[in-house]
Amino acid sequence: GNSVTQMEGPVTLSEEAFLTINCTYTATGYPSLFWYVQYPGEGLQLLLKATKADDKGSNKGFEATYRKETTSFHLEKGSVQVSDSAVYFCALSARRTGNQFYFGTGTSLTVIP
Amino acid sequence: SAVISQKPSRDICQRGTSLTIQCQVDSQVTMMFWYRQQPGQSLTLIATANQGSEATYESGFVIDKFPISRPNLTFSTLTVSNMSPEDSSIYLCSVEDSGTVAGAFFGQGTRLTVV
Repeated sequence: GNSVTQMEGPVTLSEEAFLTINCTYTATGYPSLFWYVQYPGEGLQLLLKATKADDKGSNKGFEATYRKETTSFHLEKGSVQVSDSAVYFCALSARRTGNQFYFGTGTSLTVIP
Repeated sequence: SAVISQKPSRDICQRGTSLTIQCQVDSQVTMMFWYRQQPGQSLTLIATANQGSEATYESGFVIDKFPISRPNLTFSTLTVSNMSPEDSSIYLCSVEDSGTVAGAFFGQGTRLTVV
């Protein structure tokens, strides 16, 4: 079956620190992988995506590389800002399941000045 | 990308009552999804709604509790019936990008509190 395992939180970092949020997946076939962000009081927003192995998704300084050999899609940012404080969700979508999304449990990030 | 309007954005309801949540998309889509996000937790798929057919429910969710309508390719409703405090959650509507997996698009969600 399809599932996503995401690093437990919460994570607290100082401004300009390096961020890594781990995500691994189990899937049948060749899924697409996503990171979503949820700012306080708001809905989900697509942050970045990768649709095949070795693709790198990037947006707003965040990056994640689709690693088929390790079934991973870790989220990284070189220098976080206070405005990055949010909950981050790793997700996969597999066409065999009608593009249903499977989400990780979410990782709460707080960046302090 | 698709723009999804969901309403109400929030509501406080008495136990035993029902609430219908509306989801309007600015383009025609084949599949629409309804998710629940319980406090502090991730998203759980409730059901998939295709136009012209009955919704397909995930394990643990039944039509009597969460009836869904999908009258056309741009609109869907989810009703939370006979509510209890355990139904207090955020309910989100989602659509895929037809033709390619560009990423699911989500409405802002409906924050439901049952008292």
